[in-house]
Amino acid sequence: GEDVEQSLFLSVREGDSSVINCTYTDSSSTYLYWYKQEPGAGLQLLTYIFSNMDMKQDQRLTVLLNKKDKHLSLRIADTQTGDSAIYFCAERGGSQGNLIFGKGTKLSVKP
Amino acid sequence: KAGVTQTPRYLIKTRGQQVTLSCSPISGHRSVSWYQQTPGQGLQFLFEYFSETQRNKGNFPGRFSGRQFSNSRSEMNVSTLELGDSALYLCASSLEGALRNYGYTFGSGTRLTVV
Repeated sequence: GEDVEQSLFLSVREGDSSVINCTYTDSSSTYLYWYKQEPGAGLQLLTYIFSNMDMKQDQRLTVLLNKKDKHLSLRIADTQTGDSAIYFCAERGGSQGNLIFGKGTKLSVKP
Repeated sequence: KAGVTQTPRYLIKTRGQQVTLSCSPISGHRSVSWYQQTPGQGLQFLFEYFSETQRNKGNFPGRFSGRQFSNSRSEMNVSTLELGDSALYLCASSLEGALRNYGYTFGSGTRLTVV
């Protein structure tokens, strides 16, 4: 079946790079997404990548996709305290085309 | 432009009652999806409406239902509430939904507590 896995926690120091990893199972997924959720808020779309791409860069964010291993990563350069949040990886795939989310990675940024 | 608006933000209901949540999508967006977020199960897809028709449905019991109006606003209803229905209910809108990659824009959610 369809499943998305993420590690639950990541702690980094301010100014360092953060790398959040995700694995997915549906090889037919066409788009993969990264969402950010701050406390008490909804989900904010950070970036997405099409399945025929290997990499996408958007300012401090870099997304890497290894389709062979079904592995997706999000790198945040120069991580700031304002980046502290829960980050969700999601795939759009399956028969219904809805988003399937991982459980989220809680990023803590220490000053 | 205005984002996705969900009302109410917070709701407390007792077991056995029913509840209706509302979602107004971004102007011009015709697809509205609903997700349930709980600490244990994470984010789970409830259903998607497009042009007033339910296009997709997740694996939830029939107590969960929804509808979409001609102005694309959507409501979801949960009847005979159970304690396990306590969750953050998120609505997301997009231009075309599952058929295209227009990223879904989420609202801030409605926090439902069942006591």
